[in-house]
Amino acid sequence: SQQGEEDPQALSIQEGENATMNCSYKTSINNLQWYRQNSGRGLVHLILIRSNEREKHSGRLRVTLDTSKKSSSLLITASRAADTASYFCATDNYGQNFVFGPGTRLSVLP
Amino acid sequence: GAGVSQSPSNKVTEKGKDVELRCDPISGHTALYWYRQSLGQGLEFLIYFQGNSAPDKSGLPSDRFSAERTGGSVSTLTIQRTQQEDSAVYLCASSWGTANQPQHFGDGTRLSIL
Repeated sequence: SQQGEEDPQALSIQEGENATMNCSYKTSINNLQWYRQNSGRGLVHLILIRSNEREKHSGRLRVTLDTSKKSSSLLITASRAADTASYFCATDNYGQNFVFGPGTRLSVLP
Repeated sequence: GAGVSQSPSNKVTEKGKDVELRCDPISGHTALYWYRQSLGQGLEFLIYFQGNSAPDKSGLPSDRFSAERTGGSVSTLTIQRTQQEDSAVYLCASSWGTANQPQHFGDGTRLSIL
């Protein structure tokens, strides 16, 4: 069964707006990671947040983690057309294999 | 530096044939992962290698699938007697293998079974 489940499945916004994607998971984790995938390419790592962290920033990205609710969110501020991609969360279950969610397809319209 | 390299980038073959997919990880990375991604879907874990430990094969969907990693570096995923449902993109990733490390992905092999 899926450990990470992203929400929404698809999101369409205008350039300059903020985009928020959510991820829920079921079991205890060591860390949670967010990845981006452009069409026809492999996944690119965006940000890693450890289980003892609550918020992390990287450029226009902001990730939060709520272990009590077993959820995380990815916020992309001031979105650009180049942010159009699929975004996946992945949970690292203490050295066992990573489990990826089905992803959120983000479309940023110019 | 060089990233994860996968070959071929595309493979079209007839049902029933065997295929081999290759992954060259980033030099020095001890962990190597194979995933399968169907069109518009998420990643399905297949197999995980970590150093000299026995691989975690728990994600392999059937005994037609196998993988090996020679010399702790290059890995080959083999699918025997291919079926149409094997059509997907096969992604390889590598990492340093220690805690809290990101995975680095290749661009995948797009496999089409006719």
